[in-house]
Amino acid sequence: QQPVQSPQAVILREGEDAVINCSSSKALYSVHWYRQKHGEAPVFLMILLKGGEQKGHEKISASFNEKKQQSSLYLTASQLSYSGTYFCGTEMEEKYSGGGADGLTFGKGTHLIIQP
Amino acid sequence: DTGVSQDPRHKITKRGQNVTFRCDPISEHNRLYWYRQTLGQGPEFLTYFQNEAQLEKSRLLSDRFSAERPKGSFSTLEIQRTEQGDSAMYLCASSLELGLAGVGYEQYFGPGTRLTVT
Repeated sequence: QQPVQSPQAVILREGEDAVINCSSSKALYSVHWYRQKHGEAPVFLMILLKGGEQKGHEKISASFNEKKQQSSLYLTASQLSYSGTYFCGTEMEEKYSGGGADGLTFGKGTHLIIQP
Repeated sequence: DTGVSQDPRHKITKRGQNVTFRCDPISEHNRLYWYRQTLGQGPEFLTYFQNEAQLEKSRLLSDRFSAERPKGSFSTLEIQRTEQGDSAMYLCASSLELGLAGVGYEQYFGPGTRLTVT
């Protein structure tokens, strides 16, 4: 089941904040966040586990709401280098109880454009 | 740690031809994944290896696709009788997974092989 990301696209001025959401209709075990620039490989940002704490480094952080089966990625005081497409990749809880497939299931991505 | 590498970076082939891609994972990583990404979409899982054993195949992986990971090191993905619908970026990722409960394992992606079938 593909997670749903919102919004599909965001245009910000440098220094503004952004929130990107990733929602699943199935119980999640983990959410992985990646940023991909055009023509490049996805770059790992962080991973959140069911029952885990909010994570972050520098001005990028993320949370995982188990009740809503939703993760949010927070970009604070955005920089030009933050531009790109952000993907969440999910692992279903059922994978760890004998069902479900391995590998991450990715959303369609959120395009983030930071303007000077 | 030199990261995940893939070869070739670009491949143009005619419909009906066979193609093979190579992935070299991060050296100490025991898991290797293949994904396919088309324009405007996130990566789609194809298959993965735990050491040399292929443990999972997505239903996306038709019988024209085959993957190997001899000796648990590099991996190859072969597509036989290519079709125009196979045009995509083929991404390889690797991770070190120790089978511990309650632990998440990061997957690191290579630069991908862009396949164009004409």
